[in-house]
Amino acid sequence: DSGVTQTPKHLITATGQRVTLRCSPRSGDLSVYWYQQSLDQGLQFLIQYYNGEERAKGNILERFSAQQFPDLHSELNLSSLELGDSALYFCASSLRTSGRGEQFFGPGTRLTVL
Amino acid sequence: GQQVMQIPQYQHVQEGEDFTTYCNSSTTLSNIQWYKQRPGGHPVFLIQLVKSGEVKKQKRLTFQFGEAKKNSSLHITATQTTDVGTYFCAGTGYGGSQGNLIFGKGTKLSVKP
Repeated sequence: DSGVTQTPKHLITATGQRVTLRCSPRSGDLSVYWYQQSLDQGLQFLIQYYNGEERAKGNILERFSAQQFPDLHSELNLSSLELGDSALYFCASSLRTSGRGEQFFGPGTRLTVL
Repeated sequence: GQQVMQIPQYQHVQEGEDFTTYCNSSTTLSNIQWYKQRPGGHPVFLIQLVKSGEVKKQKRLTFQFGEAKKNSSLHITATQTTDVGTYFCAGTGYGGSQGNLIFGKGTKLSVKP
């Protein structure tokens, strides 16, 4: 158990819909990262927040957005969903904001878009 | 943009054989990390390498960071069935957005008992 929690575990929805994925980081960690894992694409970095502020952006689509709240939990919002958005979405947390240091991954949310 | 390539994509070995996965970056890396993801699980941190030419060992696992800090390798000696999973390297470049770990696509290891 990494100490990072993600809900829901599974999500099935239809194209065009909007969903929200939630992540609670490890106690004391200030950075939250979101990753998308598709079958052939490995782990794609989406976005990073540190203590409530956006710190780094990866290949995140405009239809996707995220935020980190004062209690440090984070939400990833996916809208106008397409079939290709079906993937495993991981949240990770770390103490620091820099790329050095271990990232602790949550169990992931499996999103299926039908 | 920065890319991290990892080979091979798949490796099937007999239990007891050795296994190596290689990671190459298009740019010089500040550091490289290795993660293991068991089937159905989430990535778990194995190690971080920071210094040029660094070599670290964890029991049967040996990790190397190249002199130019653009490549890395993970070698497992005498594989066991518990080694099954996908091994990812992930690097951070210099400058730009810190915290932006770029992952390779991983090497999926299967071990035949």
